[in-house]
Amino acid sequence: DAGVIQSPRHEVTEMGQEVTLRCKPISGHDYLFWYRQTMMRGLELLIYFNNNVPIDDSGMPEDRFSAKMPNASFSTLKIQPSEPRDSAVYFCASSGQGRGTQYFGPGTRLLVL
Amino acid sequence: AQTVTQSQPEMSVQEAETVTLSCTYDTSESDYYLFWYKQPPSRQMILVIRQEAYKQQNATENRFSVNFQKAAKSFSLKISDSQLGDAAMYFCAYSTGRFQGGSEKLVFGKGTKLTVNP
Repeated sequence: DAGVIQSPRHEVTEMGQEVTLRCKPISGHDYLFWYRQTMMRGLELLIYFNNNVPIDDSGMPEDRFSAKMPNASFSTLKIQPSEPRDSAVYFCASSGQGRGTQYFGPGTRLLVL
Repeated sequence: AQTVTQSQPEMSVQEAETVTLSCTYDTSESDYYLFWYKQPPSRQMILVIRQEAYKQQNATENRFSVNFQKAAKSFSLKISDSQLGDAAMYFCAYSTGRFQGGSEKLVFGKGTKLTVNP
């Protein structure tokens, strides 16, 4: 079975540009999580969905960040406009049941110049 | 809010020997899960082991085992017969249990970098 798929794996962009990160969860999983990893703050949750509905978006830093899950097999995290402080590794994870183990994708390394 | 503390930023071990990584957590909840994740240089987050708080028996997965001390809020990871491939960042993580309600997010510690010397 394919694991969680994320694209792109690497993204370099200039400040002010729009960035879209994509995630395909494991088939059959109904929970999807977006995490961000930085040296300063470590790993922290941005938002998560259950059955395509956002449940907890308390970690979304500001209005520049938005996330959608239009169907069970696809989610996007968008940053508009991007800023250098958004540079981080962004992980998507999915889980097949409530409080279940979360399986992580390979991450997207974002660098905003 | 729950917090997870890993007090050892770095650890090293000789190949074939045993090493223990420490983790403590703070919570007022009685129902929760604890995890150890491994992050090698590839950045992939890989589940190592999981423990349900209601289970008294310590979880084991091959060479990996935990020492779960609920009263002390301690959750250490023991790696036996260390191998070069065990070199990675190790993160301890906490999740609220299903009977507790609330957010299902993972709360992570800052990580411990493990070096395995040949």
